[in-house]
Amino acid sequence: TQLLEQSPQFLSIQEGENLTVYCNSSSVFSSLQWYRQEPGEGPVLLVTVVTGGEVKKLKRLTFQFGDARKDSSLHITAAQPGDTGLYLCAGYSMIYNQGGKLIFGQGTELSVKP
Amino acid sequence: NAGVTQTPKFRILKIGQSMTLQCTQDMNHNYMYWYRQDPGMGLKLIYYSVGAGITDKGEVPNGYNVSRSTTEDFPLRLELAAPSQTSVYFCASRQVNTEAFFGQGTRLTVV
Repeated sequence: TQLLEQSPQFLSIQEGENLTVYCNSSSVFSSLQWYRQEPGEGPVLLVTVVTGGEVKKLKRLTFQFGDARKDSSLHITAAQPGDTGLYLCAGYSMIYNQGGKLIFGQGTELSVKP
Repeated sequence: NAGVTQTPKFRILKIGQSMTLQCTQDMNHNYMYWYRQDPGMGLKLIYYSVGAGITDKGEVPNGYNVSRSTTEDFPLRLELAAPSQTSVYFCASRQVNTEAFFGQGTRLTVV
């Protein structure tokens, strides 16, 4: 079984601070995805990272895929209250015959206070 | 654009009752998924399907059953509901090498 471990599980910060969320595995993934979920809604995709070492930026959000494709990070610069939500990393299983399985980490609950 | 539609949105079940959570998608996606999400937690995969007629177990399949007779529909059946099945259930679909699209969720309480 491939697992994705996210840390921290909870993060409460003040507006304007920076933060980093980590997504780690002992297994290699062909790609990793980051989703954001707001209360009462389903997750929505933020980004997919595919190449080892890849860095993608989405306004104040920076996503990185580890060189070995076993880990990823999400860095938010100058967090705003609108960034509040649950952040989830996800990846497709690379176990033989389970390539369709999409697994998620436990999530990071982010609260940004004004 | 309907996307992924789940019904019902809310349901209260008594212990031992059965029900079916409906999921339909209009994007002609091959892959469909059922997840459960407990408060403040990530998504745990219950069952998934890579196409009509093909289903497979996820991480937490016990107490649930699924079928995939058409591309569009992927119902989740709960037999003999238990309090441990109180959760929010999400259905999702995707095409090859694309993101997953989620429904709005079904909030189920078993009392």
